Formats: sequence, structure tokens, C-alpha cells
Amino acid sequence: EVQLLESGGGLVQPGESLTLSCAASGFTLRNFAMSWVRQAPGKGLEWVSFIYGNSLATSYADSVKGRFTISRDNSKNTLSLQMNSLRAEDTAIYYCAKKHTNAYYSFDYWGQGTLVTVSS
Amino acid sequence: DIQMTQSPSSVSASVGDRVTITCRASQGISSWLAWYQQKPGKAPKLLIYAASTLQSGVPSRFSGSGSGTEFTLTISSLQPEDFASYYCQQSNSFPLTFGEGTKVEIK
Repeated sequence: EVQLLESGGGLVQPGESLTLSCAASGFTLRNFAMSWVRQAPGKGLEWVSFIYGNSLATSYADSVKGRFTISRDNSKNTLSLQMNSLRAEDTAIYYCAKKHTNAYYSFDYWGQGTLVTVSS
Repeated sequence: DIQMTQSPSSVSASVGDRVTITCRASQGISSWLAWYQQKPGKAPKLLIYAASTLQSGVPSRFSGSGSGTEFTLTISSLQPEDFASYYCQQSNSFPLTFGEGTKVEIK
């Protein structure tokens, strides 16, 4: 059974850093591209970042480019999101998601999310 | 960036009703569109990918159609467990973008 479990969320002040992790099980992580998607309280879904299975290519939303870094450790079945210079508008539930086997950039499994709150 | 416009933003319907949600892309995306269902406090769930392919395990009352810039999600006979929010997502190119969502509420 595919499972994704996010961790690392919490309350931070503006300008601080935080690293999110996503532990994957039930599939071979290195064979799949992965993504982070966030959802601000009461709002819709916003794609954040994407990484291919071989880590050779990544992509970011303009809203986080230069501040967030996605990475993966296939040997530990873990996806990460390093978030620097956090802003109030980064407050959201952050989900990790697995790219669908048969489709371009859609996501067939999602974690339950971890809440990041940026506030002074 | 490709903008995704969903309508309506909310719909009130009764059990057994047919519900249709529309998603328009600001430029052509072929058939690279996905639909997700999200219930309060839960992660999104993939319903349909490649515009019309039903994800494994999803009931057949859900269907998707369209290509290019206009797409629809149809629930043929609304069930109590279908009351939720629905989002489209273009899966054609980066940055990936979602529609604003449609909340299906009980009439």
C-alpha cells in the first residue's frame, strides 16, 4: 500500500527557515517524480515544486523560487522541502504527492499534509 | 502561465442529481487535465486524469470530458459521499496550476 507521511511543520516567525519531510512507503521512490502542493487556510490548492525521480531536474512556482529547495534521498525513501525566508503568505498545509504512473504531471497519491504557520 | 477557470464556484444539489463542473484553460492543454475531490480536513483524491480516464477505484458515476481549453467533470447521480470540493489541474506544463475549486453542497 502506497503511503506518504509528511512531517516537520510548525510555527515559525517571518524570515525563518523550516524543512519538511515526506516519508514514502509501498513503492520505489526513485522510480517516481514527486511534488509539493500547498493549501492556505480556507483556500484552494497551489502547486509548489516538482522533482524528477533521478533528481536531475526540478521546477518551482514563482512564489517560492529562490527561497524553497526540493530534494530527495531515494536510499531513505524521503522527499524534502527546505523553506527559507518564510513569509506570512507561506502559511498553509503542505502536501507531498506522487506523480501518476501513466499521466503527465497529475498525482495519484497524497500525504495527509503538515501545517506550516508563519507568524510573529 | 496557464490559468484554470472553474465554474461554478459552488453548487447546491440533491442526492440523485446530475452535477456538471466546467474548467477552462487559458491556452490549449490537449487532454492534460486532472480532476480531484477533496473533503474537509482530508488530502485531495485523484478522480480523473488525462481529461477522461477514471482513476482506479473511482465510481463510474464520475466522468470527465473535453480537450484543448474546455473540460467538464460530471457526476451522473450524486451520492451523499460526493459532497465535497472539486479541483481541476492542468498537467500539461510548468508551472502546474489548479482551478479555484467548486464546492458541491447539499440542497
